[in-house]
Order: sequence, then C-alpha cells, then structure tokens
Amino acid sequence: EAQVTQNPRYLITVTGKKLTVTCSQNMNHEYMSWYRQDPGLGLRQIYYSMNVEVTDKGDVPEGYKVSRKEKRNFPLILESPSPNQTSLYFCASFAGGYNEQFFGPGTRLTVL
Amino acid sequence: KQEVTQIPAALSVPEGENLVLNCSFTDSAIYNLQWFRQDPGKGLTSLLLIQSSQREQTSGRLNASLDKSSGRSTLYIAASQPGDSATYLCACFNSGGSNYKLTFGKGTLLTVNP
Repeated sequence: EAQVTQNPRYLITVTGKKLTVTCSQNMNHEYMSWYRQDPGLGLRQIYYSMNVEVTDKGDVPEGYKVSRKEKRNFPLILESPSPNQTSLYFCASFAGGYNEQFFGPGTRLTVL
Repeated sequence: KQEVTQIPAALSVPEGENLVLNCSFTDSAIYNLQWFRQDPGKGLTSLLLIQSSQREQTSGRLNASLDKSSGRSTLYIAASQPGDSATYLCACFNSGGSNYKLTFGKGTLLTVNP
C-alpha cells in the first residue's frame, strides 16, 4: 500500500529538549516536504526536498532542521523546541509534475 | 505569492441537501488544485485532484470544477450525509523555481445535521 508514515503520532516535550519527527514514504517519490498546521493560520510549508541531499526552506523554517540522506526518509529536527512550535505537523511526498501529493497522518506536538 | 481563500468559513446544512464550497486563488499559474477533507484533529484525506488543463473531476457524490481564468474552484457535494461533516481544504500547487509548493486555504467547516 502506498503511504507516508510519521512517528511519533503524538509527542509532549519540554522546552529545549531536542527531538526528531520521522517521515518515510514507500512510493519512491523524489519530492518531500513538511507542513505545520495552526488554528487560524492554516497549513504552512516548513521545508522541502527535491531529492537526496537537496533541501531548502519553505515559508516558516525558523527553529527547524531537516535532512535527506535517503530517498524514502525526510526527518524533521527541532534542536531546541519552544512553546510556539506546538502544532500539528504533516509530511508530504509526491512524484513531481502534475501528480497529487500524499500526506502522512500527522504528528501532534506539544512543547511545554 | 499565491493566496487561497475559501468561502464560507463554516456551513451548516440539513441532511440530503446539495451544497457548494468555494475556493479562490490569486495566481492562475497552477499545476493543479487538490481538495482535501480533514476530520477534527486528524490527517488530510485527498478527495479530488484537478489538473490545470482540466475543467472538472468527479468521484462519487463529489464534483470539483476549476476555472483558472477567474481563479476559482468549487466543490459540489450531492445529497449530503452526516458523515460528510468535516473541514474541507482547497490547495493550489504552484512551482516557484525548484519549490513545488502547495498553498492551502483555511478551509470550510461543514456540518451536516441529521
């Protein structure tokens, strides 16, 4: 089954404690991205990757890092989480061109 | 910069009614437009994808149209059911250089009353 998986699905942490949210896709897609969803602000792109070792900033990259060492994985790293990073996070992948984007189930992060 | 607006922000209808959700966008240079459904606190379920060269797509009781020249898309839901209650999101797909980016509207919260 074609899918995008994220882990963990739920996470409660404290300010400053480094964390990683994993994202993996099994469709051999070159393009992957991360979005965050906040009430009243909608979904906004954090980072994206065009292929292995190629990443770039989206609209709201501050406080986040990413890496793309393998085609299937695109982890989101919060080196020093802060309460304003409390949000619902989605990973997405697609094959490029005019194809549809596939989204993971989301990770609900709470930073205390 | 692409901006996507969805009207209305919320809609409440009785079961069985046909309804239309609206989406407008400012940059007509889109690759495609995708409609999603989101249940409270849950993930995004893709409903329909309309390519930029297409005028509409249909899936079951859902029909989505696209008018690039006017910057509009509509999602038509026939014979609505309580199970259709969710937030519906419209997203435009543009290419800004190397960034294939989805720009989302803020959604329409639909409630279908039994």
